[in-house]
Amino acid sequence: DQQVKQNSPSLSVQEGRISILNCDYTNSMFDYFLWYKKYPAEGPTFLISISSIKDKNEDGRFTVFLNKSAKHLSLHIVPSQPGDSAVYFCAARDIYNFNKFYFGSGTKLNVKP
Amino acid sequence: NAGVMQNPRHLVRRRGQEARLRCSPMKGHSHVYWYRQLPEEGLKFMVYLQKENIIDESGMPKERFSAEFPKEGPSILRIQQVVRGDSAAYFCASSPLIRVLGFEAFFGQGTRLTVV
Repeated sequence: DQQVKQNSPSLSVQEGRISILNCDYTNSMFDYFLWYKKYPAEGPTFLISISSIKDKNEDGRFTVFLNKSAKHLSLHIVPSQPGDSAVYFCAARDIYNFNKFYFGSGTKLNVKP
Repeated sequence: NAGVMQNPRHLVRRRGQEARLRCSPMKGHSHVYWYRQLPEEGLKFMVYLQKENIIDESGMPKERFSAEFPKEGPSILRIQQVVRGDSAAYFCASSPLIRVLGFEAFFGQGTRLTVV
């Protein structure tokens, strides 16, 4: 049961443009969402998070938007840089089981110089 | 301030052998999580441990897999009698005390297990 879905396995963007990575979830009990970035042969690195009481959280070039009614969140990176090329994982946690995170399958972002 | 340390980075085992994966959490972190990533898939939760306690092992297969986090030393994920399907990247994460509104776990670099 895939409760967190990232339907785009890959995304290619020109340097300087906006990258938009999408994530959908099915569990209405999810209350906290995170994005992790992963380079090859390394562990995931925390990027940004958002609580379900908010609909937007911004940190520098990274903004996460949450649409609870659509059960959808997105990560915007602007402007995109070649160093942003990595696999991005969306993760979510539910209010009854906050020790367990559910991860999507990842989107591989390629930012072209 | 070392991060989460996992070793070995790569482990090759023959079918039927045992695999032991080690994870040293970040300094001051008392919570450890193990995740598994199969090829072309996301990370799947396996087990959550505090020192000397398994809190949630709902994601861990009932047979052949076990985990511990002793009072002293690293957390160990043990896989007995490995099979080809166990081949995956195993990631450990650690966190400090849980914050009510959320926390971010810090991941190690992973152990890539290959069963031949």
